Amino acid sequence: DGGITQSPKYLFRKEGQNVTLSCEQNLNHDAMYWYRQDPGQGLRLIYYSQIVNDFQKGDIAEGYSVSREKKESFPLTVTSAQKNPTAFYLCASKRDRGTGANVLTFGAGSRLTVL
Amino acid sequence: QKEVEQNSGPLSVPEGAIASLNCTYSDRGSQSFFWYRQYSGKSPELIMFIYSNGDKEDGRFTAQLNKASQYVSLLIRDSQPSDSATYLCAVITSGGSYIPTFGRGTSLIVHP
Repeated sequence: DGGITQSPKYLFRKEGQNVTLSCEQNLNHDAMYWYRQDPGQGLRLIYYSQIVNDFQKGDIAEGYSVSREKKESFPLTVTSAQKNPTAFYLCASKRDRGTGANVLTFGAGSRLTVL
Repeated sequence: QKEVEQNSGPLSVPEGAIASLNCTYSDRGSQSFFWYRQYSGKSPELIMFIYSNGDKEDGRFTAQLNKASQYVSLLIRDSQPSDSATYLCAVITSGGSYIPTFGRGTSLIVHP
């Protein structure tokens, strides 16, 4: 079945550590997104990529980095510069054209807790 | 800043009633509108989308779009306890990047 796989599901980080969240999709979608969700909040865009080897900052990119070396993969690194990283992180992808365009498919999410 | 606004709730309705969820948006050039449902601790899943003014029905769900007034709503008929979740409104705004912008979500509680 096609879908998006995020790992790990739960992650604990000590202050000062970088951590990387994995996101892999087999939907052949061009566009991929990382959102952050805090309790009682909506989804805020961290980074997005519409094509391999290209990505753009979203509304809250500070303290995060991404890469898009393959169409299927869009990993997110939470760096030590992110001062309040405890949150639920959601990876999503979508097709930009054709049937079902612009409908986001989400991964199951990764919950990051800073100790 | 392009904004999408939702009342955070919670909206509490009895089982069998109609639940009405509303969303307003600031970008008059917005093109596409989506409703996602998110259960606690889970990721969002699409309920329906609407592009044109008027109503769109899918089973117990009806999306209503009024571009002149810049609002989109979701009606849930015959509400069930299993409908209890947070409902997120998302809007594809103008500008060419087709990036979905989300509201904060409305928490719906359907009580037996």
